Amino acid sequence: QKEVEQDPGPLSVPEGAIVSLNCTYSNSAFQYFMWYRQYSRKGPELLMYTYSSGNKEDGRFTAQVDKSSKYISLFIRDSQPSDSATYLCAMSAGELGGGSNYKLTFGKGTLLTVNP
Amino acid sequence: KAGVTQTPRYLIKTRGQQVTLSCSPISGHRSVSWYQQTPGQGLQFLFEYFSETQRNKGNFPGRFSGRQFSNSRSEMNVSTLELGDSALYLCASRSTGGYEQFFGPGTRLTVL
Repeated sequence: QKEVEQDPGPLSVPEGAIVSLNCTYSNSAFQYFMWYRQYSRKGPELLMYTYSSGNKEDGRFTAQVDKSSKYISLFIRDSQPSDSATYLCAMSAGELGGGSNYKLTFGKGTLLTVNP
Repeated sequence: KAGVTQTPRYLIKTRGQQVTLSCSPISGHRSVSWYQQTPGQGLQFLFEYFSETQRNKGNFPGRFSGRQFSNSRSEMNVSTLELGDSALYLCASRSTGGYEQFFGPGTRLTVL
């Protein structure tokens, strides 16, 4: 079982739709959770960063972490064609990881297309 | 503030050659990590450097090595290139005490 599982999609939605992206993980030491957006042939861009369980909102984006279920989500409201990209979840153990403090473990990414 | 920069952006090499990639972190960031991204394996951690010391290493063969200079710039070297080394190599920088990592645009390496 991979440490981080993410449905690769592809996911295709109409403009204005609410998008839900998810990852599950198996390592209970993970406590820092990130979502990155990666456009084709570009480096990943940090979208959201959450520590431990809870919700965080930033504009049209909401990140949720449920550590009891080892499940994280990213919601995109009023999706736009410019949101079309690959979305990657990433996690690190922080101080619980010993020598692996800052290493990020990524999901494989979900390819999202928002159609005008 | 300028972001993470990586050079070169594209590189074509043949099997058996070696290659050196360069990364300049965000100003003030002392931690630099390297990742390999392939369609099959996704993003995988290579190693992290902090203040010129390797702090952590991923599961890659010894052909992959790196170093960091006193100005925090980092280089990654791959010796005896194999076809499977074709990938996007990404560098990320992090501020001291922070957990967010900021990525550069990557170097796309093609091994023929």
